[in-house]
Amino acid sequence: QLHLQESGPGLVKPSETLSLSCTVSDVSINDVNFYWGWIRHPPGKTLEWLASIYYTATAYYKPSLQSRLLISVDLSRSQVTLNLTSVTAADTGHYYCVRHTATDSSFFFDFWGRGILVTVSS
Amino acid sequence: SYVLTQEPSLSVDPGQTVRITCGGKNVGSKGVQWYQLRPGQAPVLVLYDSSERPSGIPERYSGATSGDTATLTITRVEVGDEGDYYCQVWVTDGDGDPYVFGHGTKVTVL
Repeated sequence: QLHLQESGPGLVKPSETLSLSCTVSDVSINDVNFYWGWIRHPPGKTLEWLASIYYTATAYYKPSLQSRLLISVDLSRSQVTLNLTSVTAADTGHYYCVRHTATDSSFFFDFWGRGILVTVSS
Repeated sequence: SYVLTQEPSLSVDPGQTVRITCGGKNVGSKGVQWYQLRPGQAPVLVLYDSSERPSGIPERYSGATSGDTATLTITRVEVGDEGDYYCQVWVTDGDGDPYVFGHGTKVTVL
């Protein structure tokens, strides 16, 4: 059974860089059928896809945040890392690691980690 | 950018049926996904491609689309069905976000 475990700081100061890692267990991170990504959930708002990456390191980003985001994959450690620069209070929320897959008509997120709560505050 | 609209909240008695709707322009022509979020738990995909159930999701969960509305129906509701439900589509046109979520419906089991 796939297990996604997020890790990172629970508290980040404004203007700093948030770095989150996701360890993928019990399944191959280089499975050709899947991407790996991050979704966040700010309090009182809806879910927000941030970025996804293939095992080849091909990456896709939320257009409005592309300049602040960097996603990477480490096959040897079976980890996906997300960096978000210049954080503000608006970046506070739960951050989820997700497996990202597709059918002929949909791209979607078929497995999620439990998430990590990140608070941006001085 | 594409927008999905959901009712903020619904209440249902155990054993009854709840229908959660997701409105969007021509959403019936898109594959719609539904996710269940419960506090302290990993979110769960309960439907994909509008009506397909992933392994492990009970038959009580079903979905349909028509025109500008997608519907998630939960029959014989149980306490364990309580949570927030979000619809999601993949948008291939325009310069906005390719993955759009509704604002969620909080389902309370009375």
